[in-house]
Amino acid sequence: QKEVEQDPGPLSVPEGAIVSLNCTYSNSAFQYFMWYRQYSRKGPELLMYTYSSGNKEDGRFTAQVDKSSKYISLFIRDSQPSDSATYLCAMSAGNYDYKLSFGAGTTVTVRA
Amino acid sequence: GAGVSQSPSNKVTEKGKDVELRCDPISGHTALYWYRQSLGQGLEFLIYFQGNSAPDKSGLPSDRFSAERTGGSVSTLTIQRTQQEDSAVYLCASSFLGANYGYTFGSGTRLTVV
Repeated sequence: QKEVEQDPGPLSVPEGAIVSLNCTYSNSAFQYFMWYRQYSRKGPELLMYTYSSGNKEDGRFTAQVDKSSKYISLFIRDSQPSDSATYLCAMSAGNYDYKLSFGAGTTVTVRA
Repeated sequence: GAGVSQSPSNKVTEKGKDVELRCDPISGHTALYWYRQSLGQGLEFLIYFQGNSAPDKSGLPSDRFSAERTGGSVSTLTIQRTQQEDSAVYLCASSFLGANYGYTFGSGTRLTVV
């Protein structure tokens, strides 16, 4: 079993829909949770960062962390064609843990 | 520089040849990472450099892979006697405060071994 599980999709939604992405993990030591967005032939770029449990909102993006269920989510409201990309979750235990553990990524297409 | 720079962006090589991939991290970032991304797979950790400390090489898949970081800045990932299974995108990233707040990635080198 992988340390971080993420459904690869692909996910196709019409413009304006809400996109819901999620990851589950097995390592209870993880405290720092991130979402990266990766456009085709580009490197991943940090989209959202959350520490411990709770919600964080940034414009159309909301990240949720439920440590009790070892489950994290990313919601994209009012999706746009420019949101079409692969979204990767990543997490670390923090402190002296310098490695990020990544999910496989979910490919999202927003249809105009 | 403004971002993490990697070169070349694409590399096609014959099986058995050696290749060198270069990474120029963000100025002032003390930590540098190499990851490998294969189709349908997550990012696979290869190696980590932090300042003058000994690198963490625990993710290197075989002794054909090596990396160095000169002067605490530029890093080179070398793959000797390349095999077809080495075909992947090799991503370099750098950070200032470790993994807690994420890394900044380069655009990667797409390696194809034929």
